[in-house]
Amino acid sequence: NAGVMQNPRHLVRRRGQEARLRCSPMKGHSHVYWYRQLPEEGLKFMVYLQKENIIDESGMPKERFSAEFPKEGPSILRIQQVVRGDSAAYFCASSQGQNTGELFFGEGSRLTVL
Amino acid sequence: AQSVTQLDSQVPVFEEAPVELRCNYSSSVSVYLFWYVQYPNQGLQLLLKYLSGSTLVKGINGFEAEFNKSQTSFHLRKPSVHISDTAEYFCAVKPALGAAGNKLTFGGGTRVLVKP
Repeated sequence: NAGVMQNPRHLVRRRGQEARLRCSPMKGHSHVYWYRQLPEEGLKFMVYLQKENIIDESGMPKERFSAEFPKEGPSILRIQQVVRGDSAAYFCASSQGQNTGELFFGEGSRLTVL
Repeated sequence: AQSVTQLDSQVPVFEEAPVELRCNYSSSVSVYLFWYVQYPNQGLQLLLKYLSGSTLVKGINGFEAEFNKSQTSFHLRKPSVHISDTAEYFCAVKPALGAAGNKLTFGGGTRVLVKP
């Protein structure tokens, strides 16, 4: 199955630690999107990346959050100095680049901050 | 900017009964519209999409949706649900023109619980 792969599926961190979430897009896809799903809420856009470029980061919190999609390897969403409010499911999606809106989602990484 | 409102946060329904999930959107430009389904502990899967053409769109698993431009709605329907349709359903939009990529704006979701 060459779907979108996210890891880890579950991550527990204590306040102040760092969380790194990884996403490998579907084969042939060069566009990656990160969304956050807070408990009892819908998905909120965070960032859109192409290889080595951040295209749109309008949904990223100004501090502590960063994302990258290097030429080689997976996309990484990094959260520094986590706080309890960062507890959420983080979903990665990929697409080929056509503008028809179809995104292919991974199964998500569930971050719990103690 | 776009916004999406899903009017029902939860919809309980009996097996083999019909279901309708309501979605209204707001946008100053033309949009593409989507319904995604999320089964427990999984990612989202595309159910159907409206890009242009016929306003009645058929998707997977017997779902269909109708685009109503005057009412800015895109309600999802299924005439007879199964237990396996228990999931959360998300309506989403993106600008049809002028926006690079596939950045979607999602509604808050509707939880469908199918009872035997």
